[in-house]
Amino acid sequence: DAKTTQPNSMESNEEEPVHLPCNHSTISGTDYIHWYRQLPSQGPEYVIHGLTSNVNNRMASLAIAEDRKSSTLILHRATLRDAAVYYCILRGGNAGGTSYGKLTFGQGTILTVHP
Amino acid sequence: DGGITQSPKYLFRKEGQNVTLSCEQNLNHDAMYWYRQDPGQGLRLIYYSQIVNDFQKGDIAEGYSVSREKKESFPLTVTSAQKNPTAFYLCASKRSELNTEAFFGQGTRLTVV
Repeated sequence: DAKTTQPNSMESNEEEPVHLPCNHSTISGTDYIHWYRQLPSQGPEYVIHGLTSNVNNRMASLAIAEDRKSSTLILHRATLRDAAVYYCILRGGNAGGTSYGKLTFGQGTILTVHP
Repeated sequence: DGGITQSPKYLFRKEGQNVTLSCEQNLNHDAMYWYRQDPGQGLRLIYYSQIVNDFQKGDIAEGYSVSREKKESFPLTVTSAQKNPTAFYLCASKRSELNTEAFFGQGTRLTVV
């Protein structure tokens, strides 16, 4: 499985932008980049995903490097409710392959937001 | 409302007993997943199922068993063979397509005493 690497933790101040990096140097051409976040004592929730182009939604933006070996989740104005663990995962594989359908999470980045 | 439900939220069992955790979804999703999370750690995949009557081992399947007799249900049994069963267990479901999101339940916190 292609692996992702994220910093263990990051800090931000409220109302400032946050850029959460993710490296995935072994990404394959069919891998989608997904981001989830997990609030304390809850299940993860979907944030955003992309393949090649940058993506925006109401929660965040996803910037994908041209070579696709890295990506950045951007929270435009952090709030206290954005304090969570953020996971960057790859979703891919060939249909019928042994890892197709597998959904693997890493350690994620713990984001702390200061008032 | 559509969603994925795990029950119970908290579960206590004595050491040596098997225990089954429930996961039900009414989202018509083909794929379902079970994860384990220990304090301060990420999610580790136990088992996953892409379709009814079929499932695959994840990264830490030893000491666990699952069944997928119905599309809506994917129960996880923590057997007495699992050395450290106390953990937070999360179930998820999603459509099969690669570019679709997974939906998670609220989790079951299992404590074995």
